Amino acid sequence: NAGVTQTPKFQVLKTGQSMTLQCAQDMNHNSMYWYRQDPGMGLRLIYYSASEGTTDKGEVPNGYNVSRLNKREFSLRLESAAPSQTSVYFCASSEDWGQGYEQYFGPGTRLTVT
Amino acid sequence: QKEVEQNSGPLSVPEGAIASLNCTYSDRVSQSFFWYRQYSGKSPELIMSIYSNGDKEDGRFTAQLNKASQYVSLLIRDSQPSDSATYLCAVNGDAGGTSYGKLTFGQGTILTVHP
Repeated sequence: NAGVTQTPKFQVLKTGQSMTLQCAQDMNHNSMYWYRQDPGMGLRLIYYSASEGTTDKGEVPNGYNVSRLNKREFSLRLESAAPSQTSVYFCASSEDWGQGYEQYFGPGTRLTVT
Repeated sequence: QKEVEQNSGPLSVPEGAIASLNCTYSDRVSQSFFWYRQYSGKSPELIMSIYSNGDKEDGRFTAQLNKASQYVSLLIRDSQPSDSATYLCAVNGDAGGTSYGKLTFGQGTILTVHP
């Protein structure tokens, strides 16, 4: 039982390049989330998927797109990377959407945009 | 804007002491509260969740919730050097509100337990 997995662990991009961050969970959770963590800013929600087939914007969605490929997988795409997107990206999942559902995090992807 | 405030620290305690971590939140109708531990370079790890006023104990950890004061705390008894980490408070929004189902995180408190 691996929990939440993310690939890649590290990535360096040049400004304007695109990439997709992959996330998968094996806990049969309905809801999945993408966060970014920056020094002094804490964890901020980028996008979430309350259930398979739905996605919605979080606090900082600009410059990102997401795809809920199936119940297990939720990907985050940067179409044209900018230095401001240098951050650590975490994927998380929870059993369901709403009050009281605990979120479990993946190991993260450290992204540097030069 | 929903806010969750934590003292960034660092909080330094001697081994064996009680570490007390505090968190206040602005949304009066928040219902679910979580504490995460994050070691340097690692991902947040859930250590406690609390939903009702009062205390909830799990091993050396006790979470305390006071909704009237909009205050949640985490006590770590018999602190160990391995407890040295950043502790994140997270709050879940209210049903019917725009933050429903979403976690708002505090900035985290750095805890150092010295031998």
